[in-house]
Amino acid sequence: QKEVEQDPGPLSVPEGAIVSLNCTYSNSAFQYFMWYRQYSRKGPELLMYTYSSGNKEDGRFTAQVDKSSKYISLFIRDSQPSDSATYLCATGSQGGSEKLVFGKGTKLTVNP
Amino acid sequence: GAVVSQHPSWVICKSGTSVKIECRSLDFQATTMFWYRQFPKQSLMLMATSNEGSKATYEQGVEKDKFLINHASLTLSTLTVTSAHPEDSSFYICSARGPEGETQYFGPGTRLLVL
Repeated sequence: QKEVEQDPGPLSVPEGAIVSLNCTYSNSAFQYFMWYRQYSRKGPELLMYTYSSGNKEDGRFTAQVDKSSKYISLFIRDSQPSDSATYLCATGSQGGSEKLVFGKGTKLTVNP
Repeated sequence: GAVVSQHPSWVICKSGTSVKIECRSLDFQATTMFWYRQFPKQSLMLMATSNEGSKATYEQGVEKDKFLINHASLTLSTLTVTSAHPEDSSFYICSARGPEGETQYFGPGTRLLVL
């Protein structure tokens, strides 16, 4: 079983839709969670970063973590064509390896 | 804040030559930087972890004599691809460990094409 599983998609939605992106992880030691957005031929950009279970909101983006079920989600409200990108979840453990473990990424297309 | 730059953004070179890629943290000090490579439509593959003032730690299967990493200051790490061959053509991305301690901030990437 891979440490982080992420559905690669592709996911195609109409403009204005609510998008749900999800990852599962297997290692209980993972304590912090991130979502990155990567446009084609660019480096990943940090979108959200959270330690705790629950929701964290930033504008149209909400990151949700459920440590009991080892499930992390990113919700995008009122999606825009500019949100079209690949979204990567990432996780790591405090006090452990400095490395992040990444999901494979979900490619999202928002159609105008 | 937390901006990371990379130079060059793209490079074309002949087989057998060496190429150096620079990664800089512009507005924070980074004791730890990471080097990744990414093939088309694939996820990031960590190549090595670079700590300022010490030798890099390479991932299994990554040739340390081929991919030389130097992290000489708190804001600069370099990756040198020595004797590059066409199979080294890829997208190389660096990241720096952020001020918060756990996050990584990525550079824009360097596209390498070896002819």
